[in-house]
Amino acid sequence: EDQVTQSPEALRLQEGESSSLNCSYTVSGLRGLFWYRQDPGKGPEFLFTLYSAGEEKEKERLKATLTKKESFLHITAPKPEDSATYLCAVLLRGNDMRFGAGTRLTVKP
Amino acid sequence: DAGVIQSPRHEVTEMGQEVTLRCKPISGHDYLFWYRQTMMRGLELLIYFNNNVPIDDSGMPEDRFSAKMPNASFSTLKIQPSEPRDSAVYFCASQHRGTDYGYTFGSGTRLTVV
Repeated sequence: EDQVTQSPEALRLQEGESSSLNCSYTVSGLRGLFWYRQDPGKGPEFLFTLYSAGEEKEKERLKATLTKKESFLHITAPKPEDSATYLCAVLLRGNDMRFGAGTRLTVKP
Repeated sequence: DAGVIQSPRHEVTEMGQEVTLRCKPISGHDYLFWYRQTMMRGLELLIYFNNNVPIDDSGMPEDRFSAKMPNASFSTLKIQPSEPRDSAVYFCASQHRGTDYGYTFGSGTRLTVV
């Protein structure tokens, strides 16, 4: 069965304290892995797409990496405005995008 | 562009009533998706359309749920009759193939069935 698991469920960091979020997947026929950010009361906001193992993408303080079994979202020197829930999703056959449960990140000043 | 527009933002209804959620996708996007988000189950795909045609509705929980897309700029998700377990946030998203497959989500409709 296709599964997407994110860890940890919640993460509290001090401003400037770098860390990583994990997304592990067991799927047949991965067509892409996606990261989204979701703020309270809003819809998810697209961040990155990764297609193959070894691929990396960066945006400001965020860097996403992909291996054959997992993806990491690295947050370097986070700021309070980076606080949000980060969702990982995998694109399966057709246009079926399967989301993980998310990691709720809190960055304290 | 104003993004994906959903209405209403909040809906409170009584069990047994009909509920209609509305979505206006981004102009030029050829895919439209309806998702439901709950604490217990996270984000679940209900149905998606390509060029106004329903492609996969296997996520629609039961016959009480129906979705239509009469034209490229409008879609509805209807629940009739509604039940308390339908309480959730319903998101609409649209996508243009060729843009890294990232979806653009609306702000959602928070549905409460009492």
